[in-house]
Amino acid sequence: GNSVTQMEGPVTLSEEAFLTINCTYTATGYPSLFWYVQYPGEGLQLLLKATKADDKGSNKGFEATYRKETTSFHLEKGSVQVSDSAVYFCALIPRHSGYSTLTFGKGTMLLVSP
Amino acid sequence: DADVTQTPRNRITKTGKRIMLECSQTKGHDRMYWYRQDPGLGLRLIYYSFDVKDINKGEISDGYSVSRQAQAKFSLSLESAIPNQTALYFCATSGRGTSTDTQYFGPGTRLTVL
Repeated sequence: GNSVTQMEGPVTLSEEAFLTINCTYTATGYPSLFWYVQYPGEGLQLLLKATKADDKGSNKGFEATYRKETTSFHLEKGSVQVSDSAVYFCALIPRHSGYSTLTFGKGTMLLVSP
Repeated sequence: DADVTQTPRNRITKTGKRIMLECSQTKGHDRMYWYRQDPGLGLRLIYYSFDVKDINKGEISDGYSVSRQAQAKFSLSLESAIPNQTALYFCATSGRGTSTDTQYFGPGTRLTVL
């Protein structure tokens, strides 16, 4: 079956620190990979995605590279801000599936202090 | 105006009551989803619908039912609510296409069953 494993949180950082949130996956074939973000009191929104091996998704200073050899899609940001405090979800969709639905990781809370 | 709306935003009810959560979207998408979010468990799929005549069970459908009244409306019902259905519920939509569809989430309904 398909599954996504994320590092447990909360991750606590000071403003301008470097961020890494680890994500690994198990899936048949080569899935598409996503990072979603949930700000306090809101629904999830897409942060970035990658559809094939070695693709790099990027948005708002965040980046993640699709690594087929390590089945990973780690999220990184060079300098976090207080406004980045949120819960981050890694997710996948199987590529060749007639009825494709998202499989989510359990989420990682990020807390950034001034 | 929000593209995906959910009503109510908050609801407190008692064990055994019937509850309906409603979702509407103005994105013109044909695919709609219901998820529940529990602390430490991430998001889990309850039901999904790929068009008006298509309804599919997700990972945790027991105790829930859905109705796709129109392309833009997808309702989730709890026929007889129980306390372990206390959770945050999200509706999402996506467009027709490849398995890389991005899902767009509503703001969520916080349901408490006493």
